[in-house]
Amino acid sequence: DIVMTQSPDSLAVSLGERATINCKSSQSVLYSSNNKNYLAWYQQKPGQPPKLLIYWASTRGSGVPDRFSGSGSGTDFTLTISSLQAEDVAVYYCQQYYGAGYTFGQGTKLEIK
Amino acid sequence: QVQLVQSGSELKKPGASVKVSCKASGYTFSSYAMNWVRQAPGQGLEWMGWINTITGNPTYAQGFTGRFVFSLDTSVSTAYLQISSLKAEDTAVYYCARAPLGYCSGDECYQYYFDYWGQGTLVTVSS
Repeated sequence: DIVMTQSPDSLAVSLGERATINCKSSQSVLYSSNNKNYLAWYQQKPGQPPKLLIYWASTRGSGVPDRFSGSGSGTDFTLTISSLQAEDVAVYYCQQYYGAGYTFGQGTKLEIK
Repeated sequence: QVQLVQSGSELKKPGASVKVSCKASGYTFSSYAMNWVRQAPGQGLEWMGWINTITGNPTYAQGFTGRFVFSLDTSVSTAYLQISSLKAEDTAVYYCARAPLGYCSGDECYQYYFDYWGQGTLVTVSS
């Protein structure tokens, strides 16, 4: 299975500041035939199920604010929150859907500084 | 609107079985795959496997073979997760999650990102 490793494990950012979470896959999740990265990001708030934020590495999910953006290709990806809001406190997970295994990263806990 | 509504919390004794349901509405059930994801207390997300809602073919992740069974009742747009011979370490929240179906190559099919999730079902295993 493809191993997904996120960094950092936890992050504290001031309101209005930028938050950046990284995700690295053990092998490329870029499918050459369609030039798509099979990488998604999810947000999980306490006591709630995960919510899809980003898919195909950079496409925002339905209703996701534009302060959330995804970038990267191949094995290295980034989730950026351009201006942190109080409601963004959550655990964030990356996931690959390139290979059988559909593995998640270990999660990054985002808090307010 | 798309909804995945799961059955309620369960308290079971070790060795018992449990069946969790996930009722889908707001879309064509057979147009999307259904996944199961486990989250142990205070831990991350662990993909358990998925079931092809067209063929009924289940795929189990490593570590989820033998005691875990995925099934469907397409007449009521519902997916099921059954766990037998429950152990204390099965205590977790179990989520169903929908995914767009991708291409199929022979008997092997693929799916994409998980776009809608159920609310989760807490299964507690304790004597």
